[in-house]
Amino acid sequence: DAGVTQSPTHLIKTRGQQVTLRCSPKSGHDTVSWYQQALGQGPQFIFQYYEEEERQRGNFPDRFSGHQFPNYSSELNVNALLLGDSALYLCASSLAGVAYGYTFGSGTRLTVV
Amino acid sequence: TQLLEQSPQFLSIQEGENLTVYCNSSSVFSSLQWYRQEPGEGPVLLVTVVTGGEVKKLKRLTFQFGDARKDSSLHITAAQPGDTGLYLCAGARDNQGGKLIFGQGTELSVKP
Repeated sequence: DAGVTQSPTHLIKTRGQQVTLRCSPKSGHDTVSWYQQALGQGPQFIFQYYEEEERQRGNFPDRFSGHQFPNYSSELNVNALLLGDSALYLCASSLAGVAYGYTFGSGTRLTVV
Repeated sequence: TQLLEQSPQFLSIQEGENLTVYCNSSSVFSSLQWYRQEPGEGPVLLVTVVTGGEVKKLKRLTFQFGDARKDSSLHITAAQPGDTGLYLCAGARDNQGGKLIFGQGTELSVKP
């Protein structure tokens, strides 16, 4: 039973560029949430997708956007990258309507230079 | 604004010692979860507490949810080097699988 899969594992981008991160949820899960974790900090909620729609959003600018596909996989897009966007981006999957049982992926380490 | 305050932020102890990590908030949460995260990995769920005053044990780890569901603690008995890692508490405001609000984490180092 595969857990949450994220790709790529590491990425280096230049300031101003755009990046796309990918997530495949755990088998049986239909909801995907994205979190940003800066070094030495706890994860911060970016947004959550269910039924291919953004359901909740944290305090992140519109440069952060996402998408969920019919197979429940998801993408996180960040435009006009800033140095401060350097962080570990985590994807968590869950089953809609179930408060517990979040499963996190290993994350994508994004470095903006 | 940090809705969940964890303390201490760093803890370095010797093998065999006991420790307690605290997670405090002025807000009420419907549930609170504790995670452990190792470098280069995502957080791994340890426990979820949902009822005020609830106590859960996981081997040498004891988790407690405050009566008012605003705070929680994690107590580790006889710490081992394998307990080393980042411990995160995370609160949920609803029971619909919504967003988690994380504390800033407690970096634990257990030396042999």
